[in-house]
Amino acid sequence: AAGVIQSPRHLIKEKRETATLKCYPIPRHDTVYWYQQGPGQDPQFLISFYEKMQSDKGSIPDRFSAQQFSDYHSELNMSSLELGDSALYFCASSLRTGGSRSRYEQYFGPGTRLTVT
Amino acid sequence: AQTVTQSQPEMSVQEAETVTLSCTYDTSESNYYLFWYKQPPSRQMILVIRQEAYKQQNATENRFSVNFQKAAKSFSLKISDSQLGDTAMYFCAFGTGNTPLVFGKGTRLSVIA
Repeated sequence: AAGVIQSPRHLIKEKRETATLKCYPIPRHDTVYWYQQGPGQDPQFLISFYEKMQSDKGSIPDRFSAQQFSDYHSELNMSSLELGDSALYFCASSLRTGGSRSRYEQYFGPGTRLTVT
Repeated sequence: AQTVTQSQPEMSVQEAETVTLSCTYDTSESNYYLFWYKQPPSRQMILVIRQEAYKQQNATENRFSVNFQKAAKSFSLKISDSQLGDTAMYFCAFGTGNTPLVFGKGTRLSVIA
């Protein structure tokens, strides 16, 4: 079965640079979530989209922005990178509508490991 | 706001034995979902099992089962016949379906040969 795809898998940037992370959800999933997981931490919610509209907003810095496109893929844009932004960034997708047994289950991509030097 | 607490930072179990990981949560919601995710050293987040709050029957998935006590707001994970591949960080998570997941701090499980 198709899974969530994230690119790139690894990214190294310097302070004050910008980064763009991409996420391709499972086909027919209508919701995308972005999470940030620091070393030794649990995943923290950043932002989500439902049917290409922003749905919820978590602890996302103002330096970050995100959007979901017409093909349902999503991009997380990060500017003025700081050392503290070094983390694993997950995208997860789920299905809100319909009667699927797996409705509301969030499936995670492999993550993008961002290192800021 | 919902909170999820995992009180066991680390646990270990002998191969083929059974282990139970604890999770408690706090919420004022009446309808919600609970999940256990496994994060092996590869750091992939893998959905292990889910429980709907409105279902009284405990969920099971092969060697994995849960003990869901709604009144006590408890949601423990039992792993039977532990295997070396079960070595991972396990996260308990809470969601209401249309909202982001709230995770516990995780329990690091080591399966010993």
